[in-house]
Amino acid sequence: GAGVSQTPSNKVTEKGKYVELRCDPISGHTALYWYRQSLGQGPEFLIYFQGTGAADDSGLPNDRFFAVRPEGSVSTLKIQRTERGDSAVYLCASRTTSGSTGELFFGEGSRLTVL
Amino acid sequence: SQQGEEDPQALSIQEGENATMNCSYKTSINNLQWYRQNSGRGLVHLILIRSNEREKHSGRLRVTLDTSKKSSSLLITASRAADTASYFCATGTSGNTPLVFGKGTRLSVIA
Repeated sequence: GAGVSQTPSNKVTEKGKYVELRCDPISGHTALYWYRQSLGQGPEFLIYFQGTGAADDSGLPNDRFFAVRPEGSVSTLKIQRTERGDSAVYLCASRTTSGSTGELFFGEGSRLTVL
Repeated sequence: SQQGEEDPQALSIQEGENATMNCSYKTSINNLQWYRQNSGRGLVHLILIRSNEREKHSGRLRVTLDTSKKSSSLLITASRAADTASYFCATGTSGNTPLVFGKGTRLSVIA
């Protein structure tokens, strides 16, 4: 597609449920990033992939969070046993190269609300 | 953790005025980027300045970088109502570390 696509755009779930958020990056972008943004805050890094492998998962808050990118394109962020504190907008971004240079292309985000 | 701190947190100006936002950071960087976010939307890249550059222009945007003070500024000249958004600085350090974003400045341009 033309840009980074994220689904669903909105997800409301109950505490304790399992949630999957999907990201479809720009075609050809090898690096894919997940960020989390709380209201009034900047994006906080969660994990990034170079190809199929997670190059840095140091931002994942705990073991309830997991992400995969099995074929080096689409990525899924998985949250188990959701808690109210997980409520936030989850942003996905991609770029052609990994690391700290070059601009990130962001999706519109998936807004997660845990009741 | 967030590396950058934008200042001010919120800024309200009249259309036609210039808007200046500042960003301070803590560690050595390879580059600094500015992004814009409209309410409820994703972030859009505005401009990137490398650590060996001091100033960069793009249209109505002017970015400066002072690595000795670990600070950057974003100037938007002749602001328009459509510039109303949140603006974030993001720092890139050497190696494979991802960009680290600040908390942002919320800019309101009143027509």
